[in-house]
Amino acid sequence: QKEVEQDPGPLSVPEGAIVSLNCTYSNSAFQYFMWYRQYSRKGPELLMYTYSSGNKEDGRFTAQVDKSSKYISLFIRDSQPSDSATYLCAMSAKINSGYSTLTFGKGTMLLVSP
Amino acid sequence: GAGVSQSPSNKVTEKGKDVELRCDPISGHTALYWYRQSLGQGLEFLIYFQGNSAPDKSGLPSDRFSAERTGGSVSTLTIQRTQQEDSAVYLCASSLDPRNGYTFGSGTRLTVV
Repeated sequence: QKEVEQDPGPLSVPEGAIVSLNCTYSNSAFQYFMWYRQYSRKGPELLMYTYSSGNKEDGRFTAQVDKSSKYISLFIRDSQPSDSATYLCAMSAKINSGYSTLTFGKGTMLLVSP
Repeated sequence: GAGVSQSPSNKVTEKGKDVELRCDPISGHTALYWYRQSLGQGLEFLIYFQGNSAPDKSGLPSDRFSAERTGGSVSTLTIQRTQQEDSAVYLCASSLDPRNGYTFGSGTRLTVV
């Protein structure tokens, strides 16, 4: 079992739809959870960051972490064609006096049609 | 600089040749990371530099891969005797506090023919 599982998609939705993107993980030591957005031929850019369990909202984006289920989600409200990109989840653990490097999911490709 | 800069953006090389990829991190960022992104494979960790500490090389796939970071700033990833399976996008990232995520460059697309 891979440490982080993410459905590669593609996920196709019409403009204005609510999008739900998800990742599951196996390492219970993960405490820091992030979502990155990657446009074609660009590097990933940080979208959302959360610590431990709970919700975080930023504009049209909401990140949820359920550590008991080892499950994280990213919701996009009122999706726009400009949201079409690959979304990668990433997570890290606290180790000794530092932090582990990020472990990434493979990414989900999202296509929002006008 | 304003962002993480990588060069070249594209590199085509013949099998067996050596290549050097360069990363210029955000000024002041103490941590620097190299990842590899292959089609359908996601981001694969290669190596991590943090300040003056010994680098974490645990992700390097073979001894053909090496990296150095000079003066705590610019980093170079070197691949010797390139193979076709080395073809991928090589991404560099830097951070000040890894708990808050990394800032990535646009990557170097390496094609070995």
